[in-house]
Amino acid sequence: AQSVSQHNHHVILSEAASLELGCNYSYGGTVNLFWYVQYPGQHLQLLLKYFSGDPLVKGIKGFEAEFIKSKFSFNLRKPSVQWSDTAEYFCAVNSPGGGADGLTFGKGTHLIIQP
Amino acid sequence: DADVTQTPRNRITKTGKRIMLECSQTKGHDRMYWYRQDPGLGLRLIYYSFDVKDINKGEISDGYSVSRQAQAKFSLSLESAIPNQTALYFCATALTSYNEQFFGPGTRLTVL
Repeated sequence: AQSVSQHNHHVILSEAASLELGCNYSYGGTVNLFWYVQYPGQHLQLLLKYFSGDPLVKGIKGFEAEFIKSKFSFNLRKPSVQWSDTAEYFCAVNSPGGGADGLTFGKGTHLIIQP
Repeated sequence: DADVTQTPRNRITKTGKRIMLECSQTKGHDRMYWYRQDPGLGLRLIYYSFDVKDINKGEISDGYSVSRQAQAKFSLSLESAIPNQTALYFCATALTSYNEQFFGPGTRLTVL
C-alpha cells in the first residue's frame, strides 16, 4: 500500500517569508500527485497537481511544487507567504493501475502566518 | 450553487444510534468517495463507488456502510454510532479514478 509523509505538522512563518513544505510518497510506480489546501472552516481545494511532463508545476495563489522522481518527493513552495495563506495543507497521491482507488493523503501541515 | 453538497453540516448523536450522511453532486462524475478527517491523521478513505452498481471498501470501512442511490447521490451510514466515529466527514467526486477530486463542505459528526 502506498503512503504519504509530510515532514512538518506545524509551521509558523512571518509574512513575506519563503515557504517549503515537504512531501514524500512510497509508491514506486507511476503516480499522480496533488496538493490540497483547507482554509479554516472550509472544504479542501486543489492547489496544484502533477500527472506527467514538466516536473515543476504551478498552481493557484502563487504556489508551485517540484516532482523529483528519484527522491519520491513533491515539495510545495511559495516565495513570499501572506497572512491569508494560513491553512492546513495536504499532499495526496494516487497511482494509475495501482489497484485501490481514491487518494492517499498525508497527515497534513498546519501553516500559520503571523502578520 | 455548490457542485458537491453534504447534509447535514453538523450532527450530534448518541452512542448506538443509526445515522446517515448524504452527499449530492451536480458535476456529472461517476466516481464518488467518502473520507473521514481526524486531527493529525489527515483524510482516510472509507468507501468509494465507480457507479451505482460498483461499491468498494476503502482503508477504514468497518462500522460504516454506503448506498449509491443514483449517479448524483452517495450516502454514508453508521449503523450503530460509537464515540470514536466522531470526526469530520467529506464526500468527494472525480471524473475518473486518476483525476483531481472535488470535495464537499464536510459534515461534522459528534457521537456522545
